[in-house]
Amino acid sequence: ELKVEQNPLFLSMQEGKNYTIYCNYSTTSDRLYWYRQDPGKSLESLFVLLSNGAVKQEGRLMASLDTKARLSTLHITAAVHDLSATYFCAVDSGGSYIPTFGRGTSLIVHP
Amino acid sequence: NAGVTQTPKFQVLKTGQSMTLQCAQDMNHNSMYWYRQDPGMGLRLIYYSASEGTTDKGEVPNGYNVSRLNKREFSLRLESAAPSQTSVYFCASINTGRRQPQHFGDGTRLSIL
Repeated sequence: ELKVEQNPLFLSMQEGKNYTIYCNYSTTSDRLYWYRQDPGKSLESLFVLLSNGAVKQEGRLMASLDTKARLSTLHITAAVHDLSATYFCAVDSGGSYIPTFGRGTSLIVHP
Repeated sequence: NAGVTQTPKFQVLKTGQSMTLQCAQDMNHNSMYWYRQDPGMGLRLIYYSASEGTTDKGEVPNGYNVSRLNKREFSLRLESAAPSQTSVYFCASINTGRRQPQHFGDGTRLSIL
């Protein structure tokens, strides 16, 4: 059974600081996804990572994948208040296209 | 805009009542999913449909039924609602075989009294 763990679950940070959210998973992955969810809203796709060493960047967010360590990171550079949201990673494997989601990381960025 | 449309957006039910949540996508996706989201629990898969005419149970299927009416539509039915089914329900779809993420609807916020 595929298990996906995110750390930390809650993150309070100041504007301008850097931080990393970690996503560990228990079996080999086919695809790893990062999503953002604003309060009361739906999930918005941020990144899809497909292969070992993959790195994708969008603005102040950068995601990477290490399939050997079964680890993905979402790095936040110089955080701004607009990045406050809940971030989810999800993994599917075995050719299933049935992603398993982590519990999410609730990020609050303070001025 | 193209995407995944869920109805209704909000619903309050009494224990024991039944209802159907509707989901439709216009992206010609083959796979569709129903999730529930509870505080601190992430998204848990209720049922999915890999293609038209097929449905399979996910992690938390008890108390729910689904119908893949055609390629576009995938409905979720609560036959006898229970307070434990109070949650936010999301429908999602994907075109498997492409390196794309799931597309999610806006969600249905369901309260059962």
